[in-house]
Parts: sequence; C-alpha cells; structure tokens
Amino acid sequence: QVQLQESGPGLVKPSETLSLTCTVSGGSVGSPNYYWTWIRQPPGEGLEWLGYIFYSGSTNYNPSLKSRVTISVDTSKNQFSLRLSSVTAADTALYYCARFPRGRYTFDSWGQGTLVTVSS
Amino acid sequence: QSALTQPASVSGSPGQSITISCTGTSSDVGGYNYVSWYQQHPGKAPKLMIYEVSNRPSGVSNRFSGSKSGNTASLTISGLQAEDEADYYCSSYTSSSNPYVFGTGTKVTVL
Repeated sequence: QVQLQESGPGLVKPSETLSLTCTVSGGSVGSPNYYWTWIRQPPGEGLEWLGYIFYSGSTNYNPSLKSRVTISVDTSKNQFSLRLSSVTAADTALYYCARFPRGRYTFDSWGQGTLVTVSS
Repeated sequence: QSALTQPASVSGSPGQSITISCTGTSSDVGGYNYVSWYQQHPGKAPKLMIYEVSNRPSGVSNRFSGSKSGNTASLTISGLQAEDEADYYCSSYTSSSNPYVFGTGTKVTVL
C-alpha cells in the first residue's frame, strides 16, 4: 500500500519561499498511472488544491497561485516537491501531498500533512 | 472558481441515516461524474470514501453511499455510528481554469 510523507520547515518568514518534499513509499512517482498533487488546508478552514505533476514533469497549477507555485519530481529519490514563493500569513496551512489515479479525478491516498506557519 | 456548497453541520442518532448535500453548477458537479467524498477526523488526513459519484474504494463500509441529481451530489451514511463523527468534504472536477474544487465541508455529529 502506498504511503506518502511530507517534510520541510514548519516556519517560514513572510516574503520567503516555502519548500516541502513528499516522499513516496510502496509506489513509484515514475508510474504513468498516477498524478502527484499538493493540497492545503488553512487552520479551521476547507481544502484547496494547489497543483499536480506527472512523472514526465508536466504540471498543472491552481490559477489563483500559478505565479507563485512550482511542483517538481525526482524519480531517483521517489519524491516530489512544492515551492511557494513570496509567502504571506495567508499561506499558513496544513500542507498535504496526495496521489490521484490517472483518469479518476480523485485523491485516493494522502500524506499525514505538515503544518507550515508564515511568521516573522 | 467558488467552493461547492455543503451544509455546515448535520447530526443524527446512532443507527439513523443522514444525507450530506454538495451543490455546484453545470460546470462541475452537474457536468461530470467526478464527484468524490472525503472523511476527515480531527488532526487526521482526509480519507477517500466515495469516488466517481457512487463508487466505494476497497475497505470503505457499505454504509456509505453516494448519488447525484443535477448540480447536487449527496453522501448518505446509513446505520450511523459514533466513529462516523467527522468532517466530510466533497470535491469535483470542473471545466474552469481551476480543475479541482472542494466543498465547504460538513461537520457530522452523532448525538
């Protein structure tokens, strides 16, 4: 069974870049059967899709964040990563990595989530 | 792209059935059979309960069922149990520039 685990700094200063990595076990980010995605949840609020990457490197991002978001994949480490630039307090959230099967448009496996706080 | 609309809270007694609605538009819920439902217990990651409107992943109890009519999807929990107390979110593929939208979330309370 696939498992996903987020890692990265829990505190980021305003205007800096948030960087997180998702390590996948029990599955391969190089599989053509899945997309790998990032989703966030501000404290006490709902879920927001940030973007996804395919093993080939093709990406799709939420237009509301498109200019600030970059997702990359490292098949040699079986990881994919999120970079969010110019962060503000509004970017404080639980960040989840998740998997969705190609053609299914659903998120079938999730990491435990990691809290990132934007504060000076 | 606006979030899909869900009731803020739904409650029921053990053994009862409850239904959570998820209302969107013809550009999302009404236009595609790509509605999913997720269960989230406090401090935990969301768990997929229903995909493609009415399909249950392996291991999910058959007390959970999904349906759709027009622009509104629904999740029904039958035989309500204490462990069902959680937040529930719907999601849908959309034809907008933001291809995935989530619902506002519903807190289910077992009385």
